[in-house]
Amino acid sequence: AQSVSQHNHHVILSEAASLELGCNYSYGGTVNLFWYVQYPGQHLQLLLKYFSGDPLVKGIKGFEAEFIKSKFSFNLRKPSVQWSDTAEYFCAANTNAGKSTFGDGTTLTVKP
Amino acid sequence: DTAVSQTPKYLVTQMGNDKSIKCEQNLGHDTMYWYKQDSKKFLKIMFSYNNKELIINETVPNRFSPKSPDKAHLNLHINSLELGDSAVYFCASSTRQGSYEQYFGPGTRLTVT
Repeated sequence: AQSVSQHNHHVILSEAASLELGCNYSYGGTVNLFWYVQYPGQHLQLLLKYFSGDPLVKGIKGFEAEFIKSKFSFNLRKPSVQWSDTAEYFCAANTNAGKSTFGDGTTLTVKP
Repeated sequence: DTAVSQTPKYLVTQMGNDKSIKCEQNLGHDTMYWYKQDSKKFLKIMFSYNNKELIINETVPNRFSPKSPDKAHLNLHINSLELGDSAVYFCASSTRQGSYEQYFGPGTRLTVT
């Protein structure tokens, strides 16, 4: 069965620190991979996605993620976080059949 | 214009009642979803509708029934509400062409007392 796991449930960083959130998926076929962000009290918004092509994808607000097929990973990175990045981050995978699976989420708290 | 809208935004009701949450999307998408997000922020898919046909039902109690009058609407009806149904419910939509990225509604916070 398809699954998505996020390694960190809660991450606390100081402003300007670098961020890396882990995401691994299990599915043998072609997948589309996503990171969504949920700011406090708001709905989920797409941060970035991997569909095909360059495995290093850039999203909004300085975020990027790298798809490593051999490791079934799609880790999210940002070189310097800001207080406004405090949010819940969800990794998700879609198969070509349209089945969507979300990870359990990572709560990021950035201290000013 | 709001892409995915939900009503109501807040819903407070007593155990045993029946309630509905409405969702509409104006993106022309052919697939719509309902998710439940609990107090720990875990996001669980409940239903998915593609062109008015149910394609996923993730072991949700049959007290929950999705209804899709057309591909722009997916409503969620809940019978005999229980305390454990308290959560935030998100509607989302996507297209089955391309990458399937989902667009989420603002959520409905359901509180059962």
